Amino acid sequence: EAGVAQSPRYKIIEKRQSVAFWCNPISGHATLYWYQQILGQGPKLLIQFQNNGVVDDSQLPKDRFSAERLKGVDSTLKIQPAKLEDSAVYLCASSLGRGTHNEQFFGPGTRLTVL
Amino acid sequence: KNEVEQSPQNLTAQEGEFITINCSYSVGISALHWLQQHPGGGIVSLFMLSSGKKKHGRLIATINIQEKHSSLHITASHPRDSAVYICAAHGNQFYFGTGTSLTVIP
Repeated sequence: EAGVAQSPRYKIIEKRQSVAFWCNPISGHATLYWYQQILGQGPKLLIQFQNNGVVDDSQLPKDRFSAERLKGVDSTLKIQPAKLEDSAVYLCASSLGRGTHNEQFFGPGTRLTVL
Repeated sequence: KNEVEQSPQNLTAQEGEFITINCSYSVGISALHWLQQHPGGGIVSLFMLSSGKKKHGRLIATINIQEKHSSLHITASHPRDSAVYICAAHGNQFYFGTGTSLTVIP
């Protein structure tokens, strides 16, 4: 079974530029998560989708971050404009459902460096 | 104060040693996850438990719901176990600990 795919793996941009990340979850997984992990910290949930609907985006900085999952499969996370403090690893994860008995499977992450 | 606290933050062990990583949480949860993160960022889910104990190979995870505490044990540790181990509490949202960085020396 293929795992969660993310691209790009690495991205370097200058502050105030825009950037987009892509995630392809495991086939059949209805729930998709985007996390931000700053160096030395645990992951922080940015947004959770159930199919193509948003379940939780309470920690998403909506003035600059946006995410969509239009067809309930792939998802994109965008930052516009980027700030220095956005440098982090952005992790995508998916699970069959949103219930607590559902295990999350993580992608390899996208490491973003904002200069 | 973080909802999930892990200890120790860093741990160095000799190959073959028995290792324990602790996790305490302050929120109500339905499940607790132990995750392993290798250099480069990839995260693997090791355990998901809501009560008692689970074992997989040399790894054992336990949870005490009343005390809001979980432990991850590694028996006969090996250098390939070197990674960051993250505890995540799943209540109305996911709360992640900051991780325990484990280095196992041959």
